[in-house]
Amino acid sequence: KAGVTQTPRYLIKTRGQQVTLSCSPISGHRSVSWYQQTPGQGLQFLFEYFSETQRNKGNFPGRFSGRQFSNSRSEMNVSTLELGDSALYLCASSLAFLSNSPLHFGNGTRLTVT
Amino acid sequence: KNEVEQSPQNLTAQEGEFITINCSYSVGISALHWLQQHPGGGIVSLFMLSSGKKKHGRLIATINIQEKHSSLHITASHPRDSAVYICAVLASGSRLTFGEGTQLTVNP
Repeated sequence: KAGVTQTPRYLIKTRGQQVTLSCSPISGHRSVSWYQQTPGQGLQFLFEYFSETQRNKGNFPGRFSGRQFSNSRSEMNVSTLELGDSALYLCASSLAFLSNSPLHFGNGTRLTVT
Repeated sequence: KNEVEQSPQNLTAQEGEFITINCSYSVGISALHWLQQHPGGGIVSLFMLSSGKKKHGRLIATINIQEKHSSLHITASHPRDSAVYICAVLASGSRLTFGEGTQLTVNP
């Protein structure tokens, strides 16, 4: 079974631009959650999607958004990029709700904002 | 004070030693995860537990809900166990909150 796939692996953007990251979950998994990891703040929860609906959102500004498609693939978008958005963005998939199932992580997208 | 506290922050051990990493949390939770992160960023889920104890190979995880505390033990440690170990709790609202991680280095 293929694992969680995140694309692209690396991305360099300029302040003010926007970016879209993609996450393909394990086949059959319906929950996709997103996380930001920085040296200063560690790992932080961004949001979780289940059956195309956002179930939960972390404490991030509205510039961070996401969506999930009918095939469970998910995208997250960051608009008006700031230097502080430079981070490793990870997604994880699980069979059911975040609270009920083990997580399977992708390898992440490393975003650098210059 | 962080909702999830891990100790120690850094740990260096000799191959074969028994290792314990601790996680304390301050909120009510429905589940606790132990994660392993290798250089390069990939994260592997080691355990998800809500009570008692789980074992997988040389790894053992325990949780005491009343004391709001969990431990991850590694028996007969090996250099390939070198990684960052992260505790994460699933509190009300189904949001994962992470500890700062424990950097483990096992020397041959």
